Amino acid sequence: AQKVTQAQTEISVVEKEDVTLDCVYETRDTTYYLFWYKQPPSGELVFLIRRNSFDEQNEISGRYSWNFQKSTSSFNFTITASQVVDSAVYFCALRNYKAAGNKLTFGGGTRVLVKP
Amino acid sequence: DAGVTQSPTHLIKTRGQQVTLRCSPKSGHDTVSWYQQALGQGPQFIFQYYEEEERQRGNFPDRFSGHQFPNYSSELNVNALLLGDSALYLCASSLAGLMSQPQHFGDGTRLSIL
Repeated sequence: AQKVTQAQTEISVVEKEDVTLDCVYETRDTTYYLFWYKQPPSGELVFLIRRNSFDEQNEISGRYSWNFQKSTSSFNFTITASQVVDSAVYFCALRNYKAAGNKLTFGGGTRVLVKP
Repeated sequence: DAGVTQSPTHLIKTRGQQVTLRCSPKSGHDTVSWYQQALGQGPQFIFQYYEEEERQRGNFPDRFSGHQFPNYSSELNVNALLLGDSALYLCASSLAGLMSQPQHFGDGTRLSIL
């Protein structure tokens, strides 16, 4: 069975501070994909970043960066120099590599509040 | 390029009633997945449709059923509604075979059961 845990339920920061969101996952599959989605109050889940299990290179995309460590089953996400528009709920999600289906298993989410 | 569209936006029903939610996938996508998101929780996978057949199902009772049409659009039906069915229902679309690509989500249908 797959499981995703986001231990932080809510994080509050002041604008321009960095925010790091933790994600720990469980899977018996050796090949899988990890995602981060953002959910603003409108409800739509917006795709942010993706990482596959066989590439542990960490990257930066604009103000977003991520730290994938397969040895500890963690996929942490950082927003640098946060802005008020970053206020939303952030979800970490896991998808296995089986061709039979591509369902996403989500964590419980972390609410980020960026104050001006 | 039209994204995923869902209708209606909001819906209020009473216990025991039946409801149908609709989803049109992003242009070019052929696979539709449905998720239920209770307040304050992460989305939970209900089922997925591809080539007009249910391909994968989550841990939801048979009261939840679906359909996919030849134009790839999809419906989610819930019978004998319970108070616990109150949630945001999200539709996501993707292209079969492209496992690395993210699913694209609609704005959801917020269902309230009285």
